[in-house]
Formats: sequence, C-alpha cells, structure tokens
Amino acid sequence: GAGVSQSPSNKVTEKGKDVELRCDPISGHTALYWYRQSLGQGLEFLIYFQGNSAPDKSGLPSDRFSAERTGGSVSTLTIQRTQQEDSAVYLCASSDTPGRASNEQFFGPGTRLTVL
Amino acid sequence: AQKITQTQPGMFVQEKEAVTLDCTYDTSDQSYGLFWYKQPSSGEMIFLIYQGSYDEQNATEGRYSLNFQKARKSANLVISASQLGDSAMYFCAMREGGYNQGGKLIFGQGTELSVKP
Repeated sequence: GAGVSQSPSNKVTEKGKDVELRCDPISGHTALYWYRQSLGQGLEFLIYFQGNSAPDKSGLPSDRFSAERTGGSVSTLTIQRTQQEDSAVYLCASSDTPGRASNEQFFGPGTRLTVL
Repeated sequence: AQKITQTQPGMFVQEKEAVTLDCTYDTSDQSYGLFWYKQPSSGEMIFLIYQGSYDEQNATEGRYSLNFQKARKSANLVISASQLGDSAMYFCAMREGGYNQGGKLIFGQGTELSVKP
C-alpha cells in the first residue's frame, strides 16, 4: 500500500450519536497518531500509539473520545455522544521506528466530521 | 510548555522570487526536532523539511531550506524560486525528544502562502 488511508472521508452525524473513524497506517509503521484540525483551534494532537499501546493520550479532550489500535496496524477513533464542537477534520499519521533522524510523520487525507 | 508561533497569517510572493516564512518556538528541552509541513487546498499534510536541535548545519531539501537560529529559538522556512504550486498553508511543528524519537507534534497556527504569477 501507498500512504496512510482514512475512512470515511466525510461523516455527517446528528448531535448525540456515536461515530467511529478508521485509520490504516503505512505498512510496517509502528507509531500512529491522531490529530484534529478545526478553524478555531488549529491542529491539535489527540493520541499517540506505539504498537498497540498508547503512551500519550494527553490530547483527548474528554472521556467521550477513545481510540484503540489492534494488531499494531489499524486504529479506530470513537467519539461518543457527539457534540457540535466535535466538528473538525480528524487526521491520522504514522511513522516508522528509529531509522531516520527526522522520523517524520506521514499524514492521511483526513475524515471531515460534521455534527448537526 | 512547548509552543510554536507563526506570526504571519498570510503572505504573498511573486513567482520565481524567494520567500521566508517565520517560526519561533519555546521549549525547555535540549533535544527536539523542528518540522515544516505543507497543506494544499486538497487538505493532505506534506512533510517538507526537518531540523534537529543538535544539527549544526541548516537543513536543505531542494528549494526548501530552514534558517535555524537556536539562540533565538527560530526556525524559518525559506522557499527559493517560488512556483504557483507552492500556494498552500504552511505549518511549523516541534517534537520534543531526541534523535529519531516518536512523539506528538505541536503545530503553529500556519501561514497561508499565495504565489502570484
């Protein structure tokens, strides 16, 4: 596979509903990140996975947000009881373990979430 | 707490001219990495260039160079010979931690660059 893929590309939901966003990282990348991008808040970090564990969950804005990663690959970000302020583009990124000094993150195309 | 500041919300540059996008950062760590990403209107984030805090030489990647002034905590991006396809939003970001570490990126607010023909 080529780059990071995310699905769906767009999601419209009603306030109070739960949503699941999916991320497929680049094959072999052990690190996976979720960010969200909104007009008012810019780009915000949500959670970081190394393998299946999440050493940094500091960016999750509330307990309505959770994420998991299985098999060291696919990750799902779940937002429960969505609120209008959850409307944003949710970006997933992945990176390799040490191999390059930069260890840059490769981003997916994002999921645009709209909560009505 | 770490912070990235980009003070130019928007910039214009004439095609074929050079342009500098400003970025200052704040961190108490000695070891960190600085990144620039480009986000065209399509929305995807494209990695451009990286500078490690211990790198003595300024990073260069093709038409992109990073003017790293550690004492001033600045990491400005220089784009030489601007092209119409350079029109996009540009984000400066920082990762705390050492050589090739994993870890979150902290982003600035971005600078929207418009290249005029």
